[in-house]
Amino acid sequence: EVQFLESGGDLVRPGGSLRLSCAATGFTSPRYAMTWVRQAPGKGLEWVSAISPSGGSTYYAESVKGRFTISRDNSKNTLFLQMNSLRAEDTAVYYCAKSVTLVRGAFDAFDIWGQGTKVTVSS
Amino acid sequence: DIQMTQSPSSLSASVGDRVTITCRASQGINKYLAWYQQKPGKVPKLLIYGASTLQSGVPSRFSGSGSGTDFTLTISSLQPEDVATYYCQKYDTAPGTFGQGTKVEIK
Repeated sequence: EVQFLESGGDLVRPGGSLRLSCAATGFTSPRYAMTWVRQAPGKGLEWVSAISPSGGSTYYAESVKGRFTISRDNSKNTLFLQMNSLRAEDTAVYYCAKSVTLVRGAFDAFDIWGQGTKVTVSS
Repeated sequence: DIQMTQSPSSLSASVGDRVTITCRASQGINKYLAWYQQKPGKVPKLLIYGASTLQSGVPSRFSGSGSGTDFTLTISSLQPEDVATYYCQKYDTAPGTFGQGTKVEIK
């Protein structure tokens, strides 16, 4: 069974940094694009960043561009999100999600989601 | 960026009712539209992708239609387990914007 396990969420002060990880089990993730989606408390879903299967192409929401970096280690079936210059508005549960098909590059619907890791930015 | 607008924001319907949720894109997105269901405290679940392709394992009472800018998610006969918030999402290109969500309750 395909599963994702996120980790790295924590309480951090404004201006701080965190690195989120998403480890895949049960399949070979390098075949699929991966995406980070976040959900602030009581709010809707927000697309954050996506990465192509090879890692050669990356994409970001305007709200995180220049502060967050998505990457992947295909040898370890792991996705990362380096988060710098964190702000209170980055407080959210962060989900990693797998693309449903192999044909849409980095842009696709998401069929499998991790359980999420909570990031709280507060002084 | 293309904006995704869902309507209504919430609805209350009886068990067995036909429920329709609409999603409108501010520019054409072909058929690159997905629908998700999120129950309270749970992870989002993919229902529909490609505007009308039912994800494996999703009950057939769920269906999607549309192309370009206007899309619809229909629940043909609302069941108690369908209580959730539903989101549309475009995925033609970055950013993969979500709609604001539609909360579905049982009357």
